[in-house]
Amino acid sequence: QKEVEQDPGPLSVPEGAIVSLNCTYSNSAFQYFMWYRQYSRKGPELLMYTYSSGNKEDGRFTAQVDKSSKYISLFIRDSQPSDSATYLCAMSKGGGADGLTFGKGTHLIIQP
Amino acid sequence: DTEVTQTPKHLVMGMTNKKSLKCEQHMGHRAMYWYKQKAKKPPELMFVYSYEKLSINESVPSRFSPECPNSSLLNLHLHALQPEDSALYLCASSQFAEMNTEAFFGQGTRLTVV
Repeated sequence: QKEVEQDPGPLSVPEGAIVSLNCTYSNSAFQYFMWYRQYSRKGPELLMYTYSSGNKEDGRFTAQVDKSSKYISLFIRDSQPSDSATYLCAMSKGGGADGLTFGKGTHLIIQP
Repeated sequence: DTEVTQTPKHLVMGMTNKKSLKCEQHMGHRAMYWYKQKAKKPPELMFVYSYEKLSINESVPSRFSPECPNSSLLNLHLHALQPEDSALYLCASSQFAEMNTEAFFGQGTRLTVV
């Protein structure tokens, strides 16, 4: 079992829809959770950062973390064609020099 | 400003060449990272520098040699690479290496080994 599981998609939704992206993880030591957006042939862009369980909202984006279920989500409201990209979840344990553990990424397509 | 700048954007090199990738950040971050990303795969951690000292080497072959000349700069020296080393090389930085703050990535160097 991989440490972080993420459905690679593609996920295709019409413009204006609410998008739900999810990751599950197996290591309960993960405490810090991030969502990145990556356009083709570009570097990942940080969208959301959350610590431990709870919700965080920023504009059209909402991140949720449920540590008891080892499940994190990213919601995108009023989706736009420009949101079409690969969305990567990432997490870290903290407490020592560490890197990010990524999910595979979900390829999202917003249809005009 | 959350910018991490990588140069060059594209690099083509032969298997006998020596080249270097450069990364710069001016956010006062004390941790810098190299990741490798193959097509349709997530980034894979290669090296972590914390306070200019190498903290993590993820069993990367010696043909990749990192260097951190100061807290703002990170280099990756390349020598005798193989075609399978062709990938997008990403630099990232965060305030601390414990990864308990946001990590920001550069746009990457797309490397092709011929």
